[in-house]
Amino acid sequence: NAGVTQTPKFRILKIGQSMTLQCTQDMNHNYMYWYRQDPGMGLKLIYYSVGAGITDKGEVPNGYNVSRSTTEDFPLRLELAAPSQTSVYFCASSYSRLRTGVAGQPQHFGDGTRLSIL
Amino acid sequence: AQTVTQSQPEMSVQEAETVTLSCTYDTSENNYYLFWYKQPPSRQMILVIRQEAYKQQNATENRFSVNFQKAAKSFSLKISDSQLGDTAMYFCAFTLLTGNQFYFGTGTSLTVIP
Repeated sequence: NAGVTQTPKFRILKIGQSMTLQCTQDMNHNYMYWYRQDPGMGLKLIYYSVGAGITDKGEVPNGYNVSRSTTEDFPLRLELAAPSQTSVYFCASSYSRLRTGVAGQPQHFGDGTRLSIL
Repeated sequence: AQTVTQSQPEMSVQEAETVTLSCTYDTSENNYYLFWYKQPPSRQMILVIRQEAYKQQNATENRFSVNFQKAAKSFSLKISDSQLGDTAMYFCAFTLLTGNQFYFGTGTSLTVIP
């Protein structure tokens, strides 16, 4: 019962460095999401994907890139790390139905990645 | 635009007592789903309860129940017989019937006091 797996759990980056946050799910979910959670705040959607090869911007996409080459994997890339990107990042996935999409289906979350940019 | 508001940043309750967490939302759509998620200190988000907007009956899951007032766009969570393990951040969220995204509130930090 792996569910949604995120790696790494913690990371410290220097300003200007790049890194990829990995996310994989074994539930054959079509929909996958990346959120960031700043201290005392709710989740903000960075990017999401409705299936392999399809990605869309969320509320706060600047400074990030994603790809979805397989159903299982949805990596998030930071190209030039900035202090404003210090946050906890959550990956999530949802089952989708043909006619109603993700509606009504809960999201399954990973454990999160705590990222600090110094 | 879709928005979710949780007006209580922090709450506390005595063990075994009942507590209600508030949530209001705004949407012009008529068909949607509402959720409450729990985020314990271990950080993983866990689904607590789900409500379909087209159902008038309030959802219940053991000690957790909701008070769904569609006209008022209100979706509060009631936790009965509070337990120490209920200490967590609680997020209200919704998704449209035809949408691909979830909209989350800013959360309510609940502490259960022994």
